[in-house]
Amino acid sequence: QAQLVQSGAEVQKPGASVKVSCKASGYTFSSYTIHWVRQAPGQRLEWMGWISTGTGNTKYSQKFQDRVTISRDTSASIAYMEMSRLRREDTAVYYCASLLDLDKVGGMDLWGQGTTVTVSS
Amino acid sequence: DIQMTQSPSTLSASLGDRVTITCRASESINIWLAWYQQKPGKAPKMLIYKASSLESGVPLRFSGSGSGTEFTLTISSLQPDDFGGYYCQQYNDYPWTFGQGTKVEIK
Repeated sequence: QAQLVQSGAEVQKPGASVKVSCKASGYTFSSYTIHWVRQAPGQRLEWMGWISTGTGNTKYSQKFQDRVTISRDTSASIAYMEMSRLRREDTAVYYCASLLDLDKVGGMDLWGQGTTVTVSS
Repeated sequence: DIQMTQSPSTLSASLGDRVTITCRASESINIWLAWYQQKPGKAPKMLIYKASSLESGVPLRFSGSGSGTEFTLTISSLQPDDFGGYYCQQYNDYPWTFGQGTKVEIK
């Protein structure tokens, strides 16, 4: 069955960078876009951007454009989200997600389990 | 960015009750709306896509309606497993945006 498995929790200091991975299995990785969504404590979900796993093209929310890089390794079926210049307000659970049924047009029907990133000095 | 506003923020209902959650978009999003359920400490789970299409495996007591700027998620008969957070999300335009969420509590 299709699944996305993310890397473990991270604790980073303000100003540092973090790189979260998302390993896909059970489907053809390069056929479906991977999105990244975050959720700060008590806050709404926030879409960050996506990567076309086949072409490597990316699209970012303007809010994250300057600090986030989404990449992928097709040979390993892994997508990455790297955030630089971390701030305390970046403390959140970060999710990767995909849409495997393209008839839906949009949204995300497959989610990773989430990775908690804590930014603290 | 398209703003998504849900109401209510919290609702408490009894088992068997009919429950309705509303989601309003700041501009027309046609039918490009999804609903998700999120349990504490878990990833969101898609319930509805294209405003009214039921995701495979989701119980028939869930339904969605609306188009343009006003949408509703209805649970026809509230069950114990339905507690949790519910979020709407528009995918008409980037950046995709979510509502602030509705917390459903069982009385």
